[in-house]
Amino acid sequence: AQKITQTQPGMFVQEKEAVTLDCTYDTSDPSYGLFWYKQPSSGEMIFLIYQGSYDQQNATEGRYSLNFQKARKSANLVISASQLGDSAMYFCAMREGNRDDKIIFGKGTRLHILP
Amino acid sequence: EAQVTQNPRYLITVTGKKLTVTCSQNMNHEYMSWYRQDPGLGLRQIYYSMNVEATDKGDVPEGYKVSRKEKRNFPLILESPSPNQTSLYFCASSLRTAHNSPLHFGNGTRLTVT
Repeated sequence: AQKITQTQPGMFVQEKEAVTLDCTYDTSDPSYGLFWYKQPSSGEMIFLIYQGSYDQQNATEGRYSLNFQKARKSANLVISASQLGDSAMYFCAMREGNRDDKIIFGKGTRLHILP
Repeated sequence: EAQVTQNPRYLITVTGKKLTVTCSQNMNHEYMSWYRQDPGLGLRQIYYSMNVEATDKGDVPEGYKVSRKEKRNFPLILESPSPNQTSLYFCASSLRTAHNSPLHFGNGTRLTVT
């Protein structure tokens, strides 16, 4: 069974609009971390934001925020005021406390920002 | 500058010709890992290392070897490459083996096996 699910293979969004990229996860471990990565067309993987399972507040990093709904096992990435440079592939990932030897990735969402 | 360095960035080779992709990190990270990325499949873990002389298989280890003789280096070896190993490869490291420790990635190696 998939542990990380990203249901949107692709999205098109107008520049300056806010974007929400969906991510749901599955784990029985009470301790886990959730991560988002950006992969631009140049190919590198860029770490964006982290949310811990015990964090009381949603994580924020500049224009990125994570809408963490623990009961729903949801960790959506929100990008405010989108820019053309946000066009990229975005991956959601999870690292479990009792399986911290690996990080599991979703299959990604390709985001296109339209001028 | 703190970074994970992979070489080469691009590699074209022929079936059966042994190759090594190097990976080095300068952040004193304990944990290192190799992933391959294929269209529609996301990133899949090949091998990982929790520390020096401690390596273990990930989800797709067949056809690959690794070693961790020094903390900073984690080379990926393809003893006899085949066309199904054509892929984009990433080396990654994290400070600790802990659920709150993000992976830091190298820039990737695009391998083509003909």
